[in-house]
Amino acid sequence: KAGVTQTPRYLIKTRGQQVTLSCSPISGHRSVSWYQQTPGQGLQFLFEYFSETQRNKGNFPGRFSGRQFSNSRSEMNVSTLELGDSALYLCASSTGTGIRTEAFFGQGTRLTVV
Amino acid sequence: AQSVAQPEDQVNVAEGNPLTVKCTYSVSGNPYLFWYVQYPNRGLQFLLKYITGDNLVKGSYGFEAEFNKSQTSFHLKKPSALVSDSALYFCAVRREGSARQLTFGSGTQLTVLP
Repeated sequence: KAGVTQTPRYLIKTRGQQVTLSCSPISGHRSVSWYQQTPGQGLQFLFEYFSETQRNKGNFPGRFSGRQFSNSRSEMNVSTLELGDSALYLCASSTGTGIRTEAFFGQGTRLTVV
Repeated sequence: AQSVAQPEDQVNVAEGNPLTVKCTYSVSGNPYLFWYVQYPNRGLQFLLKYITGDNLVKGSYGFEAEFNKSQTSFHLKKPSALVSDSALYFCAVRREGSARQLTFGSGTQLTVLP
């Protein structure tokens, strides 16, 4: 079974631009979560989607948004990029919304804002 | 609120020796605890989880973890370390009744010396 696939793997953008990252979950997984990883802040939760609905959102500004499609694939968008948005963005999928289920992570998208 | 502490940024151990990576947590209510490993330029790989039941949990690649409720700890262990175990290890927690996002510790860099 294929794992979580994130595209692109690497991205360089200029401050002020916007960016869209994509995540394809493991087949059969309907829950997708996004995390931001930086050296200073560590791993921080962005949002979670299930059945095309945002279930939960972390403490990030409105420039960060996401969506989920009917095939469970998810995208996240960051508008008006800032230098501090440079990070590894990780997507995770799980089978459902149970609190006991583990999340499986993709390899991440490395975003560099210059 | 919930939090996780990994008190050691770096752990060094000789190949063949036992290893321990420490994790303590703070939650109200029952915790659900997870360990993940991250290799350079990769996403997080799930190792094991504690939900309920036996305090000693066995996971992937020979790793195990011991849940100690009185000490609010969930230390990761392996009887005999391999050089290939060298990686960044993250402990994470969810609280029963809370939203599903994982709260991660700051990570511990494990180096196994040949």
